[in-house]
Amino acid sequence: DGGITQSPKYLFRKEGQNVTLSCEQNLNHDAMYWYRQDPGQGLRLIYYSQIVNDFQKGDIAEGYSVSREKKESFPLTVTSAQKNPTAFYLCASSVYRGWGGANVLTFGAGSRLTVL
Amino acid sequence: AQSVTQPDIHITVSEGASLELRCNYSYGATPYLFWYVQSPGQGLQLLLKYFSGDTLVQGIKGFEAEFKRSQSSFNLRKPSVHWSDAAEYFCAVGAKGDDKIIFGKGTRLHILP
Repeated sequence: DGGITQSPKYLFRKEGQNVTLSCEQNLNHDAMYWYRQDPGQGLRLIYYSQIVNDFQKGDIAEGYSVSREKKESFPLTVTSAQKNPTAFYLCASSVYRGWGGANVLTFGAGSRLTVL
Repeated sequence: AQSVTQPDIHITVSEGASLELRCNYSYGATPYLFWYVQSPGQGLQLLLKYFSGDTLVQGIKGFEAEFKRSQSSFNLRKPSVHWSDAAEYFCAVGAKGDDKIIFGKGTRLHILP
C-alpha cells in the first residue's frame, strides 16, 4: 500500500545535538511538507518542497534544515539552534497542483522528539 | 494573511447525540477548505474537503460540512456520534495557486457513554 513512513517514531536527544527525522513516501507525490505540532497550537509549517532540489521556508523554519535529493524523501534536521525542539513532527505529501488547485495533504504517523 | 479559527478547544457530547464543530477562516481569495481528524499519537486523516460547487459536502465516517461564504465558516457536523469519534479535529484552509495549507489549533472531542 502507498503511504508515508516516518522514522523513528520516538527520539530522545540531549541538548546541543542535531537529529534527523526521516520521511519517505511511495505515493509518487511531488510536494512534501514538515509540520510541527505542540499541544493547543495546531500544526505549524516548518519547510515544504514542491520539486526535487528545491524547498521553501515555512512559518517556523529557524533552527531546522531540510534536503530534497530524491522525490521520495524529505528528511528534516533539528539543529542545536532550535531553542525548544521537543514536539511532535508530522510529514505530509501531496500532488502538486500549482495554479490548478489546492494541495490535499496525506500525512505520516509522526515522530515525537524529546530533548532531555 | 490567511488564518483559521476553531473557537472551541474542547467539546463533550454524549454518544448518539449530534455534533457541530465550528471553523471560521480569513482569506482574501476563494478558499479551499478541509477537515482532518487525528487520533492520539497518530497522523492526520482527511475527513472531507471543499473546493467549489455544492456548499454541503459529505465526507467519510458520516461527517458533513457546510461552506457559508457570508459567514466565512465551514462547520463540521455529524447527526449521531459514536465513541470511536473521540479525537482531535482540525480545520484547514488553502487556496488555488498557494502552496501553504494553514491549520486551526484544533478541537478535541470527548464522548460520554
